[in-house]
Amino acid sequence: AQSVTQLGSHVSVSEGALVLLRCNYSSSVPPYLFWYVQYPNQGLQLLLKYTSAATLVKGINGFEAEFKKSETSFHLTKPSAHMSDAAEYFCAVSDVSGTYKYIFGTGTRLKVLA
Amino acid sequence: EAGVTQFPSHSVIEKGQTVTLRCDPISGHDNLYWYRRVMGKEIKFLLHFVKESKQDESGMPNNRFLAERTGGTYSTLKVQPAELEDSGVYFCASSQEWQWGTGADTQYFGPGTRLTVL
Repeated sequence: AQSVTQLGSHVSVSEGALVLLRCNYSSSVPPYLFWYVQYPNQGLQLLLKYTSAATLVKGINGFEAEFKKSETSFHLTKPSAHMSDAAEYFCAVSDVSGTYKYIFGTGTRLKVLA
Repeated sequence: EAGVTQFPSHSVIEKGQTVTLRCDPISGHDNLYWYRRVMGKEIKFLLHFVKESKQDESGMPNNRFLAERTGGTYSTLKVQPAELEDSGVYFCASSQEWQWGTGADTQYFGPGTRLTVL
């Protein structure tokens, strides 16, 4: 069975500092991985996705993630945090053994300090 | 292009009452998913439609939940009778044509319906 673990339910960074949100997955087959963001009072918005084309995936708003098979990780990074990045971030894996439903991590709430 | 819409945005009901949530997917999207997030926990899959057919309903908690997708367009999720543990945010998502072996279709999410059962 596939699963996703997000380390740190809350992460705080200073404005301008590196953002690193951790995601580890478990999958017996090559996974499809996603990062979504939820801003207050909004729905989930896709940041980026990994579909095996390239291990370094660039997304919107300056975010990127690197797929590392050896570490079963798909961590999300951004070189310089902005106040507008404050939101909740979700890592998900697509269940390729079934109907491609998403299996989510528990989410990480990012706080950006001025 | 309009995104996924959900109605209502909030619903507060008493235990034992019935509530119906509605989801309008992006036009032309065959796949429609329902998910739920109970406070403090992960977003969990409830069920998946391909057009009007239920493809996977393994995540439905119990028979108090009934989902329909008449005509393969919008979907409703009815909870009857509602219990306290049904409180949470219900998300709907849609994606394009379903093809075996791809798995890469992005799911587009609606803003969710926050259900509170008192």
